[in-house]
Amino acid sequence: EAEVAQSPRYKITEKSQAVAFWCDPISGHATLYWYRQILGQGPELLVQFQDESVVDDSQLPKDRFSAERLKGVDSTLKIQPAELGDSAMYLCASSLGTAEAFFGQGTRLTVV
Amino acid sequence: GENVEQHPSTLSVQEGDSAVIKCTYSDSASNYFPWYKQELGKRPQLIIDIRSNVGEKKDQRIAVTLNKTAKHFSLHITETQPEDSAVYFCAARGAGSYQLTFGKGTKLSVIP
Repeated sequence: EAEVAQSPRYKITEKSQAVAFWCDPISGHATLYWYRQILGQGPELLVQFQDESVVDDSQLPKDRFSAERLKGVDSTLKIQPAELGDSAMYLCASSLGTAEAFFGQGTRLTVV
Repeated sequence: GENVEQHPSTLSVQEGDSAVIKCTYSDSASNYFPWYKQELGKRPQLIIDIRSNVGEKKDQRIAVTLNKTAKHFSLHITETQPEDSAVYFCAARGAGSYQLTFGKGTKLSVIP
């Protein structure tokens, strides 16, 4: 069964350092989402891509966060510099048009 | 943008009883409403979804109802089992945007 792949699974970084997460969506899925999930809360959308184009990044803290999907396939989310409040689960999801969204296992980020 | 409210935040039921989780949404143009189950430390997984042209959908012990006029939808789980214990998230997708907005989640505990 095809899955959304994310790496790393866990990341511990010191505040003010840079950190990057990688996501490989299910093959053929044009829509890719990055969500942040704080413990005990629902996923919050950070950025949404349609192929290589950003269609929604209104909730992305652009002073420190960036995301790219250069060839319209895999994607990278970067934080620089990381802050203590960035500790959370970062989830990537993909979908084919208006069909269901499939989530990856996520990257658990801890900023110390 | 879309706003999704979910109630209750926690729910405890006896094994065999029914559980109902309710969500409301703000964007009358939303047309897709999925429900995800997230077990501790795992990715959210789709359990059932409904589109705006349908009022009710059922899959074994799980059913979802949609009231477009009132802009609310509900998840019904009958004959609950301990393995139903998890956090459940509702979501809504706006027409044409593909953006998926989540509720804050309901922690369901099924007591044996």
